[in-house]
Amino acid sequence: GAGVSQTPSNKVTEKGKYVELRCDPISGHTALYWYRQSLGQGPEFLIYFQGTGAADDSGLPNDRFFAVRPEGSVSTLKIQRTERGDSAVYLCASSFEAGPGLAPTDEQFFGPGTRLTVL
Amino acid sequence: AQSVTQLDSHVSVSEGTPVLLRCNYSSSYSPSLFWYVQHPNKGLQLLLKYTSAATLVKGINGFEAEFKKSETSFHLTKPSAHMSDAAEYFCAWIGGYNKLIFGAGTRLAVHP
Repeated sequence: GAGVSQTPSNKVTEKGKYVELRCDPISGHTALYWYRQSLGQGPEFLIYFQGTGAADDSGLPNDRFFAVRPEGSVSTLKIQRTERGDSAVYLCASSFEAGPGLAPTDEQFFGPGTRLTVL
Repeated sequence: AQSVTQLDSHVSVSEGTPVLLRCNYSSSYSPSLFWYVQHPNKGLQLLLKYTSAATLVKGINGFEAEFKKSETSFHLTKPSAHMSDAAEYFCAWIGGYNKLIFGAGTRLAVHP
């Protein structure tokens, strides 16, 4: 079946512009995560959605970053007033939630990422 | 604070020789630990995970890892490297809300 997909695969923008990055999780996965991977580093957690709500947004670096998941499936990561330091690969992952109120199972399935370059 | 440390940023082996990628963890309890592999322009793929069952964990593509509490280690091994194993490998543990906390990664090069 289809895995996690992310669009666009590459995004080049200018400093100060607004960007949106999209994630389509695996169908039926209620948990969705965003990570950011800077060059030469491991991925760093940004935000976790359980259904439509952000259960943990402690990884968002500042208020220029926010994410939504209005219908509990597709998510969009939005970055305002982009800075050169925002250049990175943005990864999305999804996992299955065993039942209402239960924590997701451990395995997260990752998309290929969106490479963001801020000039 | 809980963390994982990957001891080598680069490892180079010859095809057919053993692979050892080292990961140490820092935690006051036995965490859930993972190894992921990342091929160029591909998503992260789970190789194996430890969740306090058997200490020797077998994963995909012939990889395995052993959880050693006394050494706070979770090293990844493979008896015989293949060219297709060349990739970036990440050790990770599970934090709150199932968020993954990754190490800095080890780039594995496999030479003919």
